Amino acid sequence: KQEVTQIPAALSVPEGENLVLNCSFTDSAIYNLQWFRQDPGKGLTSLLLIQSSQREQTSGRLNASLDKSSGRSTLYIAASQPGDSATYLCAVRYAQAGTALIFGKGTTLSVSS
Amino acid sequence: EAQVTQNPRYLITVTGKKLTVTCSQNMNHEYMSWYRQDPGLGLRQIYYSMNVEVTDKGDVPEGYKVSRKEKRNFPLILESPSPNQTSLYFCASSLAAGGSLGDTQYFGPGTRLTVL
Repeated sequence: KQEVTQIPAALSVPEGENLVLNCSFTDSAIYNLQWFRQDPGKGLTSLLLIQSSQREQTSGRLNASLDKSSGRSTLYIAASQPGDSATYLCAVRYAQAGTALIFGKGTTLSVSS
Repeated sequence: EAQVTQNPRYLITVTGKKLTVTCSQNMNHEYMSWYRQDPGLGLRQIYYSMNVEVTDKGDVPEGYKVSRKEKRNFPLILESPSPNQTSLYFCASSLAAGGSLGDTQYFGPGTRLTVL
């Protein structure tokens, strides 16, 4: 079964720390992988999309990597801020799963000042 | 402003009373879809549409209907809601669904539905 797993489920860090969120997927045949941010009571905001042919994408303090052979992606957040507190979701578009994004259950990040 | 809008944002209803949740996007996107989000289960796709008049089932379509008569609108219809459809619903759209950069999904703010 094609699944997406995110570890840890929750993470607390002090402001200013660099941190890494992990995402693993079960099949290397993917079209792309997308990282989202979800704030309580709000929708999902797309952060980065990595195509299957790419190794990484960067946007500001965020850097996402993709290693298809090991079935892993990481989201690196540099110099974390309290405003980064949210749930981060990883979603994979598998080549054999139609058009659906398969989501992980998320990592809830809390950054304290 | 480019956005996906959903209405209503919150809805409490009773079993069996038909309802429609509207979704509209102003980005001329071809691809639209509906997801539900449940604690412990994450987000799961209900239905999707590749273009006008082209719709298909996602992973959890039972109890739902959709239509795509116009490119910008993709309503979700619950003909006879039941308590197990209590959930947080999201509409999403993207330029395409062909495995390119146009796949970036844009989500609406969500509709919290409670069926009593």
